[in-house]
Amino acid sequence: GENVEQHPSTLSVQEGDSAVIKCTYSDSASNYFPWYKQELGKRPQLIIDIRSNVGEKKDQRIAVTLNKTAKHFSLHITETQPEDSAVYFCAASKYGNKLVFGAGTILRVKS
Amino acid sequence: GAGVSQSPRYKVAKRGQDVALRCDPISGHVSLFWYQQALGQGPEFLTYFQNEAQLDKSGLPSDRFFAERPEGSVSTLKIQRTQQEDSAVYLCASSQDRFSGNTIYFGEGSWLTVV
Repeated sequence: GENVEQHPSTLSVQEGDSAVIKCTYSDSASNYFPWYKQELGKRPQLIIDIRSNVGEKKDQRIAVTLNKTAKHFSLHITETQPEDSAVYFCAASKYGNKLVFGAGTILRVKS
Repeated sequence: GAGVSQSPRYKVAKRGQDVALRCDPISGHVSLFWYQQALGQGPEFLTYFQNEAQLDKSGLPSDRFFAERPEGSVSTLKIQRTQQEDSAVYLCASSQDRFSGNTIYFGEGSWLTVV
């Protein structure tokens, strides 16, 4: 089955700097790659997603890139703010099936 | 409704007790998922419904776990004879359907503590 690995497990950045989180997946049939942000005690919230027919997608300060050949995708957050501090999860799925999540990255933005 | 609704939000169960967790998906959403999230970890898939049909239950950790969605809307996850290792947050999620978009929305979760 699908296996998703996520790095780093923790990331500290200075406010205003960029943050990059990387994930790799194992199943070449996976075609949907969402990123979720989860604050302590809250639900995972979708922040951006990308499908396999697209290499890059951007939404304001957040962007995701996908390399299907290498089977990895990355989340980029620019101009980080303290409210970006949270746990971020990548995930992969195929054809609307179950999401397989990475282990998460704790992002701390220091002001 | 506006989002995926789960109840109870918090449940403390004595070891050996049975529990039932309810999920109300977003109105009209065909697909419904249950995930288990242990402290400090990512959500782990438990089971998936399309309407009332349980299409995948490969993630259920034991036969003590049972899920149903009899009318294709509300779903219940039942855990029999709870054990301490069942302590986790149980997340329900729904999506419009399997083919158009795949966007999956999560509920706030039911926090289960087995003592």
